Amino acid sequence: GAGVSQSPSNKVTEKGKDVELRCDPISGHTALYWYRQSLGQGLEFLIYFQGNSAPDKSGLPSDRFSAERTGGSVSTLTIQRTQQEDSAVYLCASSLSLGPGTGELFFGEGSRLTVL
Amino acid sequence: AQSVTQLGSHVSVSEGALVLLRCNYSSSVPPYLFWYVQYPNQGLQLLLKYTSAATLVKGINGFEAEFKKSETSFHLTKPSAHMSDAAEYFCAVSAAGSGGSNYKLTFGKGTLLTVNP
Repeated sequence: GAGVSQSPSNKVTEKGKDVELRCDPISGHTALYWYRQSLGQGLEFLIYFQGNSAPDKSGLPSDRFSAERTGGSVSTLTIQRTQQEDSAVYLCASSLSLGPGTGELFFGEGSRLTVL
Repeated sequence: AQSVTQLGSHVSVSEGALVLLRCNYSSSVPPYLFWYVQYPNQGLQLLLKYTSAATLVKGINGFEAEFKKSETSFHLTKPSAHMSDAAEYFCAVSAAGSGGSNYKLTFGKGTLLTVNP
């Protein structure tokens, strides 16, 4: 498909387990973002990748969260030792240009994480 | 730093009525402002954006928004609501200018629009 693809669409896990969420951005998009959407809380910025530059990790809520982007394309968000408060929809977005000020963000449909 | 406040987590209108979704922002630098829409079980889609050109911005599906610096507002309007407009709407801000963190899009908490027949 031509859009941003995220997997899995739904993930249910037990507290303490590790999870990996995958994002496949639109081909050619150099910028990639992860956001977390919690009920009634809007979207919370997590991390930003731009080309080969060092990622901006300033939004990651704790050291249990990490993300990487291999080959400037696919990205994986990893949550270690999951907690119930990690339950949310994790959204990935990509953009052609340097940032949303100049270009449009294209969002995937999200990965819904439920931690029991 | 920038922030967004969306007044009203839920707005309900009748089909054919005016839609007004309120957004106020705070930014230490001239902002870029955006409205995104999220239909059920879908990702966010850009409705319109303000990037320091015309203050009245027209978007898709008949929506428009006006940037008012004096009021630090960027309210979203549509003259006549359709049933298909039912969705959640998010206002967002990023810092304009070169360098810095202008790529970080800060979102409001969203407004759920219900359209009644």
